[in-house]
Amino acid sequence: KQEVTQIPAALSVPEGENLVLNCSFTDSAIYNLQWFRQDPGKGLTSLLLIQSSQREQTSGRLNASLDKSSGRSTLYIAASQPGDSATYLCAVDSDNDMRFGAGTRLTVKP
Amino acid sequence: GAVVSQHPSWVICKSGTSVKIECRSLDFQATTMFWYRQFPKQSLMLMATSNEGSKATYEQGVEKDKFLINHASLTLSTLTVTSAHPEDSSFYICRPRRGASGGYTFGSGTRLTVV
Repeated sequence: KQEVTQIPAALSVPEGENLVLNCSFTDSAIYNLQWFRQDPGKGLTSLLLIQSSQREQTSGRLNASLDKSSGRSTLYIAASQPGDSATYLCAVDSDNDMRFGAGTRLTVKP
Repeated sequence: GAVVSQHPSWVICKSGTSVKIECRSLDFQATTMFWYRQFPKQSLMLMATSNEGSKATYEQGVEKDKFLINHASLTLSTLTVTSAHPEDSSFYICRPRRGASGGYTFGSGTRLTVV
């Protein structure tokens, strides 16, 4: 069974900093990996989806990388803003069985 | 395309009562629906998988008699929390099977509070 781990569990940074969130998974036989954002009490907002054949995806200030062989993905956020404060979830799809990490709670201080 | 309507978005109920959560696929047929729950400050955990016309499969530790799943049609899957207790208070969210194009859709989630 796929296990997904996210480090750190929480992160607090001043506005403007670049930061990296980490995700690791135990089974490299994945279909894709996805990063989500979740605001308190809300549902999921998809940020980036990386297919298993891809190595990275970019959207605006966000860049996600995937190293399937080592079971790792990183989400890079450039020039962080207070509006980026949220919980970031990593999810791995293995044959339509989607497993989530516990998330990283990000706080960006003005 | 691939829109899933989930409701209610939030519900408060008394301990001992039952609550039904619906996930309806609006523009496609969902043969499979995954149900997740999320306790405060924790991640989403898969509870069960429902398949149209057959019995749902439950993850280890999830009581099938407490969380009744019905997937009687290709457009509607329901989760009923029976005899709810405060410890069932959680965020419940549904997701249909990944589409042929590879995309995902999630319901908007239901926040259940049992008092």
